[in-house]
Amino acid sequence: EIVLTQSPTTMAASPGEKVTITCRASSSVSYMHWFQQKSGTSPKPWIYDTSKLASGVPDRFSGSGSGTSYSLTISSMEAEDAATYYCLQRSSYPPTFGAGTKLELK
Amino acid sequence: QVQLQQSGAELAKPGSSVKISCKASGYTFTSYYISWIKQTTGQGLEYIGYINTGSGGTNYNEKFKGKATLTVDKSSSTAFMQLSSLTPDDSAVYYCARGSSSFAYWGQGTLVTVSS
Repeated sequence: EIVLTQSPTTMAASPGEKVTITCRASSSVSYMHWFQQKSGTSPKPWIYDTSKLASGVPDRFSGSGSGTSYSLTISSMEAEDAATYYCLQRSSYPPTFGAGTKLELK
Repeated sequence: QVQLQQSGAELAKPGSSVKISCKASGYTFTSYYISWIKQTTGQGLEYIGYINTGSGGTNYNEKFKGKATLTVDKSSSTAFMQLSSLTPDDSAVYYCARGSSSFAYWGQGTLVTVSS
């Protein structure tokens, strides 16, 4: 199965700061998808097909990448963005998730 | 609106089985597969498998073959997952999600605790 490695594992950002989370795949995938999870709630679709924002996601979020390297970027950190973000590949069965990046507000 | 309502928390003894339910509403149940996903602090999110809600056909992640059994009751728009021969490693939050891999909608999660 394809292993997804996220970095960093945890990070803290100040309001207004730019944030980048990366996800590297052990083999090439066609697209990467991202989920946001806040404590005690289910993961929410956040970015799909590498760069498309799910409904309701602020446009300060963006996604990019190809092959084995993908990223999620927040152009300007806001308090509500503090959460754990997971990448997901579904190009190869079984679908696999990254271990998550916990983003905290500094 | 689409909703997936899961059954409540379970406390089970090692060696026993539990059966979790996921009741769908707000859409045509048989138009979408239901997947199941395990979440633990140590292993993160792991894909268990999916069930074709129309035919009952299943596809499991190799890791969960023999551990999880997926079934469906179309009459009540409910999907089920039975976990057997429970060990402490099966303690986790289990989610159902709509679709075989798109996961656009999730249930609220069911906490399973395995302890003697």
